[in-house]
Amino acid sequence: GENVEQHPSTLSVQEGDSAVIKCTYSDSASNYFPWYKQELGKGPQLIIDIRSNVGEKKDQRIAVTLNKTAKHFSLHITETQPEDSAVYFCAAAGQKVTFGTGTKLQVIP
Amino acid sequence: DTEVTQTPKHLVMGMTNKKSLKCEQHMGHRAMYWYKQKAKKPPELMFVYSYEKLSINESVPSRFSPECPNSSLLNLHLHALQPEDSALYLCASSQARRDFEQFFGPGTRLTVL
Repeated sequence: GENVEQHPSTLSVQEGDSAVIKCTYSDSASNYFPWYKQELGKGPQLIIDIRSNVGEKKDQRIAVTLNKTAKHFSLHITETQPEDSAVYFCAAAGQKVTFGTGTKLQVIP
Repeated sequence: DTEVTQTPKHLVMGMTNKKSLKCEQHMGHRAMYWYKQKAKKPPELMFVYSYEKLSINESVPSRFSPECPNSSLLNLHLHALQPEDSALYLCASSQARRDFEQFFGPGTRLTVL
């Protein structure tokens, strides 16, 4: 089955700096890669996604890149704000959605 | 309406109790999911319903019994749970089973005493 690795597990950045979270996946059949943000006490919220026929996608301060050959994908958050503090999960989907282990992002004011 | 609602928000139950978790969506989605999430872990898939029929059961113990009364509602019936079943139970929905753009509800925080 699919295996998704996510790094780092924790990340602290100063407000205004950029944050990068990286994931790798194992199943070459996976073709959809969503990113979820989960705040304390809430369910995961889809923030951006990318499909296998696209290399990069951007939505305001958030961007995702995908390297299908290397089976890598990354989340980039620019100009971080304290409200970006949360746990972020990457995921890969082929037959079903498999989540990464999560990254706890702390943005220090 | 792009919201998935779940009730109750919190639930405490004994090991001999029977309780139910409820989930509702009005986005016209035809696939609905139950996930279990332990603290500091990613969500784990339990069940998938597609067009109101059980499509995937990830080898979940029979003390968890899902039900999909109609295309908008999803229930999870709980009976004879163990303390290790304490977790956040998340419901999600998507347009169809092969459309993995899932929308999650806020979850039910379950504590089994």
